Amino acid sequence: EIVMTQSPATLSVSPGERATLSCRASQSVSSNLAWYQQKPGQAPRLLIYGASIGATGIPGRFSGSGSGTDFTLTISSLQSEDLAVYYCQQYIDWPRTFGQGTKVEIK
Amino acid sequence: QVQLVESGGGLVKPGGSLRLSCVASGFSFSDYYMTWLRQPLGKGLEWVSSLSDSGTSIYYADSLKGRFTISRDNAKISLYLQMNSLRAEDTAIYYCVRGNVAFDLWGQGTMVTVSS
Repeated sequence: EIVMTQSPATLSVSPGERATLSCRASQSVSSNLAWYQQKPGQAPRLLIYGASIGATGIPGRFSGSGSGTDFTLTISSLQSEDLAVYYCQQYIDWPRTFGQGTKVEIK
Repeated sequence: QVQLVESGGGLVKPGGSLRLSCVASGFSFSDYYMTWLRQPLGKGLEWVSSLSDSGTSIYYADSLKGRFTISRDNAKISLYLQMNSLRAEDTAIYYCVRGNVAFDLWGQGTMVTVSS
């Protein structure tokens, strides 16, 4: 099973600043990586797939990068509505596995 | 409207059974793999099972094999999860989602609580 590890567990960022979230896979997943956003009390929604492709309707301030084992989700200018937990997920192999999440707080 | 709506959650005793349903609308259900994910309250996401568009390819989390059964009825645009021999650790919100790679459409979830 591919283990996904996210860091940091919690990130506190001021509005307008950049937020950088990391995700590491225990073995290469190539670009078969997705990012999700889960706001309080809501179901997750897909942000990024293919490591760097924005899903439909996702604001341009969200971007993804990386390949192989190391990936990054960047929020270029944090907005108050970006308060959420962010998960990465690999889909190169079964079982599909998720990271434990990074909680983004507004400073 | 493109959406997934789950139902069937509730309170069940350890060792009991429950059948979750998910009705799709607004897209061609029979063209898509479908998946169940779950999330214990306050915790992370766990993949449970995926089923191909035709129903011929099925995948389960190893820890759940033999207890859970995924199925679908394309004529009824519905996905199901039969859960048997339920344990306290199965307590979670269960999400019906579209796809088997990146999950691009999620239901609102249905809560399953296993407790005596």
